[in-house]
Amino acid sequence: QKEVEQDPGPLSVPEGAIVSLNCTYSNSAFQYFMWYRQYSRKGPELLMYTYSSGNKEDGRFTAQVDKSSKYISLFIRDSQPSDSATYLCAAGRGSYIPTFGRGTSLIVHP
Amino acid sequence: DAGITQSPRHKVTETGTPVTLRCHQTENHRYMYWYRQDPGHGLRLIHYSYGVKDTDKGEVSDGYSVSRSKTEDFLLTLESATSSQTSVYFCAISPEGGEQPQHFGDGTRLSIL
Repeated sequence: QKEVEQDPGPLSVPEGAIVSLNCTYSNSAFQYFMWYRQYSRKGPELLMYTYSSGNKEDGRFTAQVDKSSKYISLFIRDSQPSDSATYLCAAGRGSYIPTFGRGTSLIVHP
Repeated sequence: DAGITQSPRHKVTETGTPVTLRCHQTENHRYMYWYRQDPGHGLRLIHYSYGVKDTDKGEVSDGYSVSRSKTEDFLLTLESATSSQTSVYFCAISPEGGEQPQHFGDGTRLSIL
């Protein structure tokens, strides 16, 4: 079992919907958490970086970390077809290289 | 875009041949990483480097070697390619390890027949 788990999807939503993408992790020592977006045939692109628990907002994106339940979420408001991509979460601690989830495929249809 | 260039972008080769993939960065970052990405497995770390001539193994290092003779270049070599090494290979960089987020190149698609 990987330390960071994601449902691979695909998750299909209509344009304008609020999207919730989630990860769970098993290592309670994880301190920092990231979300990457990966378009087809491209490399992962850093979307959000959070340290410890709480929420962080950037435009239509909100990252949420609940360390008590070891749950990481990414919310996308007013989703657009251009948001269709694979979303990877990652978690890490200290100087260790972060652990990546396998990614969730999101499809936003017009 | 983070200044990362991977070459070649696509390669088809035969089992048993040596293959070298190159990652070049213009950010002067200390850390460089090689990952492979496969369906059902996600990103898996092959090797990483924390400075010139300083490298270490990741979780799937068997069959791969790396070299870093300059800050800007990190090479991944498959000494004798096998079909199981068919994958998409990504290079990533970060200023330091751990908490510093990684930035990725656009990958090399490698097919071994």
